[in-house]
Amino acid sequence: AQKVTQAQTEISVVEKEDVTLDCVYETRDTTYYLFWYKQPPSGELVFLIRRNSFDEQNEISGRYSWNFQKSTSSFNFTITASQVVDSAVYFCALKGTTSGTYKYIFGTGTRLKVLA
Amino acid sequence: KAGVTQTPRYLIKTRGQQVTLSCSPISGHRSVSWYQQTPGQGLQFLFEYFSETQRNKGNFPGRFSGRQFSNSRSEMNVSTLELGDSALYLCASSGGLAGPTDTQYFGPGTRLTVL
Repeated sequence: AQKVTQAQTEISVVEKEDVTLDCVYETRDTTYYLFWYKQPPSGELVFLIRRNSFDEQNEISGRYSWNFQKSTSSFNFTITASQVVDSAVYFCALKGTTSGTYKYIFGTGTRLKVLA
Repeated sequence: KAGVTQTPRYLIKTRGQQVTLSCSPISGHRSVSWYQQTPGQGLQFLFEYFSETQRNKGNFPGRFSGRQFSNSRSEMNVSTLELGDSALYLCASSGGLAGPTDTQYFGPGTRLTVL
C-alpha cells in the first residue's frame, strides 16, 4: 500500500523564521515520484517540485529547499526566511509506477501561517 | 501555454439536483483527474481519465461519474446531490505516462455549495 503522512497539521511562524514541513511516505515501488504542492487561499494547487526516487540530490530554489532521504522515506520541505505570502496549505504527494495505476497519493496537508 | 481551466468556478445547487462540472486540460495532456476537497476529509481522489477511458477510481458512490472527450476535456457529474457534496472540486491534468517528467497540474477548482 502507498501512503503519505504529513504529521504537522498546522504550523505558525513569525516572518523571517525558517520552517520545515515534514513528509513521510510508504511505497513498495522501486521507482516512484514525490511532489510538493502549495495551495494558497485562492484554492488552486500550485506545483512546486518533483523528485524522482533514483535522484536523492537535494534541491534549492530561492528560499525553498527540499531534503529527500530514501533511508528514512522522507521528503521534507524547508522555507528559509519565511514571508507572509508563504501562508498556505502545503501538500506532499507520491506517485508510484507499478501495476500501471499512475495514481497520485496526497498527504493531508500542512497549513502554514506566517505572521507579520 | 494555457493552464488547466475549470467551469464554472462557483455553483449553488439544492439537494436532489444534479450538477456537471467541466475541465479543460493543458494542451497535449491526455490524463485528467478529479479530486474532492472538504475541510474534514482533505483531498480525496475521485477518478482519472486517460484517452477517454477511466483508468483509476477512488472510493466514491456511483452518484459521482465522469467522462472524457476525444479532445481530452473532461466532465464530472454528480447526481442526487447531498449536503455532504459541498466541496471544492479540483481537476488536474498531466501527460498521463509513467515517465519522470510527468506531473499533475491543477485548475482553480469549482466550489460547489449544496443547500
